[in-house]
Amino acid sequence: AQSVTQLGSHVSVSEGALVLLRCNYSSSVPPYLFWYVQYPNQGLQLLLKYTSAATLVKGINGFEAEFKKSETSFHLTKPSAHMSDAAEYFCAVSNSGGSNYKLTFGKGTLLTVNP
Amino acid sequence: ETGVTQSPTHLIKTRGQQVTLRCSSQSGHNTVSWYQQALGQGPQFIFQYYREEENGRGNFPPRFSGLQFPNYSSELNVNALELDDSALYLCASSSQPSQPQHFGDGTRLSIL
Repeated sequence: AQSVTQLGSHVSVSEGALVLLRCNYSSSVPPYLFWYVQYPNQGLQLLLKYTSAATLVKGINGFEAEFKKSETSFHLTKPSAHMSDAAEYFCAVSNSGGSNYKLTFGKGTLLTVNP
Repeated sequence: ETGVTQSPTHLIKTRGQQVTLRCSSQSGHNTVSWYQQALGQGPQFIFQYYREEENGRGNFPPRFSGLQFPNYSSELNVNALELDDSALYLCASSSQPSQPQHFGDGTRLSIL
C-alpha cells in the first residue's frame, strides 16, 4: 500500500521568502511522485513529477522538488514566494508498475503569502 | 488543445436520489480517472477507465459506477445518495494509464 504524509496543513510565508512544503511517502515499490496545486474553486494543476529519472525535478512557476530515497521525502521548494503562489498544494504518489497508476494524495498544505 | 471539462459545475440533490456527473477528456486521452475530494481533504481515487473498460477501483461501494465512451467522454453515476457523498468530484484524463493525469475543475455535489 502507498501513502503520503504532508507535514503542516498550513504554511505562511512573506512575499520573497523561501517556500518549503514537506512531503514524505511510503511505498513498497519504486514510486512515481507528483506535486499538484489547487486554486480556489478549481481542479488540480500538475506542478512537477518524478518518474525515476533525475532526482531534482524542476516544475512550472519556479517550483522544484528533490527525491530523497534515504529519507523517503519529496519536498517542494521555491526560492522566492509570490502572492500568486497562495493556494493549496497536494503531494501524490503512484506506483511505477501495476496497471492503473492511481494517485494517492496527501491531505494538502495551504500556502498563504503575506505582503 | 482543449482541456478536461466537467459538467455541471454545481449540483444539489437529496438523500436517496441518483446523480450522473459528466466529463469530457482531453483530446487523444484514452484513460480517465475519477476522484472524490471531501472538504479539507485530498482527493481519493474512485476508479479508472482505460479504453472503455474499468481499470482499477478504489475503496468505494458499488453504488458508485462509471462509463467511458468512444468519444473520450465519461460518466460517474452515484445511486442512493448519502449525506457523506457531498464533495467535489474530479475527473482526470491521461494519454495512457502511466502518463500524468490532467484534471478538470470538478463538480461540486451537495446532498441535503
